[in-house]
Amino acid sequence: QVQLVESGGGVVQPGGSLRLSCTASGFNFNTFTMHWARQAPGKGLEWVAIILNDGTSKSYGDSVEGRFTISRDNSKNTLSLQMNSLRVEDTAVYYCVKEVSGGWFMESWGLGTLVTVSS
Amino acid sequence: IVLTQTPLSSPVTLGQPASISCRSSQSLVHSNGNTYLSWLQQRPGQPPSLLIYKISTRFSGVPDRFSGSGAGTDFTLQISRVEPEDVGVYYCMQSTQFPWTFGQGTKVEIK
Repeated sequence: QVQLVESGGGVVQPGGSLRLSCTASGFNFNTFTMHWARQAPGKGLEWVAIILNDGTSKSYGDSVEGRFTISRDNSKNTLSLQMNSLRVEDTAVYYCVKEVSGGWFMESWGLGTLVTVSS
Repeated sequence: IVLTQTPLSSPVTLGQPASISCRSSQSLVHSNGNTYLSWLQQRPGQPPSLLIYKISTRFSGVPDRFSGSGAGTDFTLQISRVEPEDVGVYYCMQSTQFPWTFGQGTKVEIK
């Protein structure tokens, strides 16, 4: 079955950087569009970024555009999120998400990794 | 696109129905004619999971007591008879236009 395991979360100071990874298994990773989404503590969900199956096209949420970069390595079944210029308001659980077959909807979510931005 | 859910909290008696509304600030009909509106469930302490997509299609394994309806800017999630495992927060989400957006969430709890 589909498994998505995020890693790389932790505590970082404002202005710092962090790189998240997601290891995928149980499906043909290189045929699916992938996403990152996040959830601040006690708050709702926020879409962060999308990358097409071949990595040729990406898009970002307004709050992270220009600071975050999504990427993937299909040879290693890995999705990544490079986060730079981190702000206190980036504190959240970050989820790796697989789209449904046929696209357009977020099907399977990992358990998430917590990023805390604090001085 | 802003999605507004009502109510934000829904205390329900076990076995009774529940209904959640999701209103969009603009039409969710894509230029290709499809409407990309889905519903997700987040049980306490768990990541979200897909319940319904394309307005009314139940995802694999989702009980038939869950149903979705609507068109254009107004959508509804209905639970015909609330079970204990339905406790959690429900989100509508649009993927018609970037950036994809979620509603604020509706907390379903047992009275």
